[in-house]
Amino acid sequence: KNQVEQSPQSLIILEGKNCTLQCNYTVSPFSNLRWYKQDTGRGPVSLTIMTFSENTKSNGRYTATLDADTKQSSLHITASQLSDSASYICVVSAQAGTALIFGKGTTLSVSS
Amino acid sequence: DVKVTQSSRYLVKRTGEKVFLECVQDMDHENMFWYRQDPGLGLRLIYFSYDVKMKEKGDIPEGYSVSREKKERFSLILESASTNQTSMYLCASSLGGRPLHNYGYTFGSGTRLTVV
Repeated sequence: KNQVEQSPQSLIILEGKNCTLQCNYTVSPFSNLRWYKQDTGRGPVSLTIMTFSENTKSNGRYTATLDADTKQSSLHITASQLSDSASYICVVSAQAGTALIFGKGTTLSVSS
Repeated sequence: DVKVTQSSRYLVKRTGEKVFLECVQDMDHENMFWYRQDPGLGLRLIYFSYDVKMKEKGDIPEGYSVSREKKERFSLILESASTNQTSMYLCASSLGGRPLHNYGYTFGSGTRLTVV
C-alpha cells in the first residue's frame, strides 16, 4: 500500500535554531516528492519538488534531500524565523497513479 | 501571479442545506481537484477532473458531487450538508492530461465550512 509517514508529528524550536523534518514513503514506482508549507487556515504552498535523480533541492532557508534507495526525504530549515511556524506536508507522486499521496504533516512552532 | 481562487474563506451552513463551493484557476490547467483536510487525517481526495465535463471519484466521494462546465471552474456540491462534513476544503489544479503527472500543482487558500 502506498503510504507517506512524517516525523515528528509536532516540533517546538527557538527562533534562530535549525531543524530537520523527516518523511518516509513506500510509494512505488516513484515519480516525485514535494514538500509543502501550510500556514494556519491557508492552502499549502510548494517549497520544493524532487524527482528520482535529484538528491538535494534548496529554496532559500529550506533544503530538501531525497534518498530514493531508502525511500526517505528530509526538510532542513536553517536559522528559523517566527514566520516558519506552520504545518509542513510531504507529498509523493507515483508514476502510474491518479493522485498524490499525502503525509499527515509536521506542525512546527517557532518561539522567540 | 497565477492563482487558484476559492470563492469563500469561511462558510456556515445548516444541516440539510445544499452547499456550493466554487474554485477558479487562471493557469489553463487541465486537471482540478477537491480535497478535504481534517486534523489527524491529512488531505483526502474527494473528486478530481482531468477535462471539461469529466469527473472521477477520489477516496471519499460519498455525500459530494462535482461540476466542471468550463475548464477554469470546478465546483464541489454538498447535496444535503451534514455535520460530519464540517471541514477545511481545498481546491487544486495541475497541468497535464492522463495519467495525472501533477506538474504545476497549485492549491487554493481553502474554504472553512461549518455545518450546524
